[in-house]
Amino acid sequence: GQSLEQPSEVTAVEGAIVQINCTYQTSGFYGLSWYQQHDGGAPTFLSYNGLDGLEETGRFSSFLSRSDSYGYLLLQELQMKDSASYFCAVRDDNTDKLIFGTGTRLQVFP
Amino acid sequence: DAGITQSPRYKITETGRQVTLMCHQTWSHSYMFWYRQDLGHGLRLIYYSAAADITDKGEVPDGYVVSRSKTENFPLTLESATRSQTSVYFCASSDGSPGFNEQFFGPGTRLTVL
Repeated sequence: GQSLEQPSEVTAVEGAIVQINCTYQTSGFYGLSWYQQHDGGAPTFLSYNGLDGLEETGRFSSFLSRSDSYGYLLLQELQMKDSASYFCAVRDDNTDKLIFGTGTRLQVFP
Repeated sequence: DAGITQSPRYKITETGRQVTLMCHQTWSHSYMFWYRQDLGHGLRLIYYSAAADITDKGEVPDGYVVSRSKTENFPLTLESATRSQTSVYFCASSDGSPGFNEQFFGPGTRLTVL
């Protein structure tokens, strides 16, 4: 089976940089995805890493190390609107299921 | 309306009643999913469908039934609602197998079972 671990909560101030880590255990691997969810809203896709390295999209970057079964989401120049929950996800081995971590709640303070 | 919609957005029902949550998408995506979200559990997959007339169980399928006679619709039925099924339910769709393909989520249905 698969399991993912991420911190439950992270706090930071506006303008800062924050890193949200995700470690996973899978017998097969099809890439790591990240989703953002604001309170009361629906999850929205942020990024996908299929290969090792850093993927950058504006202020957000996502990193993957397959040898370490580890990835992270990096948020730069934090804004108040970045306060949300962030979920990492991996595809279940040999099926079409996406397994989500329990989420990291990011609180950005002024 | 374009996109993925869910109805109702809010529902209160009683234990033992049958409830159907609707999900409709206009993109003709092949894959559709139902998740429930509870505090401390993140998003848990209930059922998914790779195409019309093809459905499969997720992590927590007990007490739920799905069907997919048309590509655009994927209703979720609680045959006899229980209090433990109080949750927020999200429907999602994707153009291909999940993981490398983005999943698009509906706005959610908040269900309370009394």
